[in-house]
Amino acid sequence: EVHLVESGGGLAQPGGSLRLSCAASGFSFSDYEMNWVRQAPGKGLEWLSYISGSGGTMYYADSVKGRFTISRDNAKNSLYLQVNSLRAEDTAVYYCAREYLLDANFDYWGQGTLVTVSS
Amino acid sequence: QLVLTQSPSASASLGASVKLTCTLSGGHSSYAIAWHQQQPEKGPRYLIKLNSDGSHDKGDGIPDRFSVSTSGAERYLTISSLQSEDEADYYCQTWGTDFRMFGGGTRLTVL
Repeated sequence: EVHLVESGGGLAQPGGSLRLSCAASGFSFSDYEMNWVRQAPGKGLEWLSYISGSGGTMYYADSVKGRFTISRDNAKNSLYLQVNSLRAEDTAVYYCAREYLLDANFDYWGQGTLVTVSS
Repeated sequence: QLVLTQSPSASASLGASVKLTCTLSGGHSSYAIAWHQQQPEKGPRYLIKLNSDGSHDKGDGIPDRFSVSTSGAERYLTISSLQSEDEADYYCQTWGTDFRMFGGGTRLTVL
């Protein structure tokens, strides 16, 4: 059974940093492209970043380009999101999501980790 | 520029059917989409992928009450025999080579 479990969220100060993690199990992690998506309180889903199975290709939404960095460690079946220069508007639940093997729709999601940016 | 448009809200009675719409902005009617459900206080769940030719793939364990169809730039999700647990937010998603994108979501209320 596919499982994605995010961690690393919490309270951070404006201008601060956090490293979010997503532990994957139940599938061959390195075969799958992965993404990060966030949801601000009371708002919709916002795609943030994509990474290929090998980790060699990454894409970012304009809203986080230059501040967020996606990476993965296939030996540890883990996905990461380094979030820097945090702003109040980065307050959200952050989800990792797996892409379907044959196309780019997301087919499994984690339960999310909450990041709160406040002084 | 590609935009996915969804009505903010919809409602239907218990046991009835409802049809949700996701509209691809002009010139992008060939894009496939996926529907995701988010129940209150939960993470999203993948429901169905829908191609522009109407072919589709369901997620694991998704009941037959959930079906999809398409017409031009519009992609539809129909939920029949509505149950209380269908009360949720529904998001459409699309993608390109270097981007992924969501519609604004539709909040479905089951009366």
